[in-house]
Amino acid sequence: EVQLVESGGGLVQPGGSLRLSCAASGFTFINYWMNWVRQVPGKGLVWVSRINSEGNNVFYADSVKGRFTISRDNARNTLYLQMNSLRVDDTAVYYCTRGVSGGDWGQGTLVIVSS
Amino acid sequence: IQMTQSPSSLSASVGDRVTITCHASQDVITSLNWYQQKPGKAPSLLIHDASNLETGVPSRFSGSGSGTDFSLTISSLQPEDIATYYCQQFETVPITFGQGTRLEIK
Repeated sequence: EVQLVESGGGLVQPGGSLRLSCAASGFTFINYWMNWVRQVPGKGLVWVSRINSEGNNVFYADSVKGRFTISRDNARNTLYLQMNSLRVDDTAVYYCTRGVSGGDWGQGTLVIVSS
Repeated sequence: IQMTQSPSSLSASVGDRVTITCHASQDVITSLNWYQQKPGKAPSLLIHDASNLETGVPSRFSGSGSGTDFSLTISSLQPEDIATYYCQQFETVPITFGQGTRLEIK
């Protein structure tokens, strides 16, 4: 069974940093591209970032480019999202999703950016 | 690529046939998924690649379309289908989602 478990969310002040993790199991992690998607509570879904299976090709939404960094550790079956210079409008539930199409989702981790 | 869903909300009776549409601003071929999201939960994949039913999803759900116009149909609405539904294109980065359709039971 595919499992994606996000962690690392929490309350942070504007301008601060957080690193999210997504622990993957139940599939061969190194074979899959991975994504981060976020959702402001009560609002729609917004794609944030993507990384290829080797970790050497990454993509970002314009809203996070230059502030967020996606990476992965294939030995640990873990996906990361380093978030720097956080803004109030980064407040959201962050999900990791599996594959080019992103069909499998974790349960999400809540990030609150507030003073 | 902008994804436009309609309607944004829908109220229907148990047993009704319900259709949600999704229009892409550019050709996405069949690189389109449909998701169901219930309150407090992560989205769950219903239909992949425009018309393929995800394993374990009830057969009352179906998807169709290609290019720029797609639809999700529930053949006989059930109470447990109360949720918000999203389309998503994955043909081109940035991946984009429709704004969602909130489905309620009359």
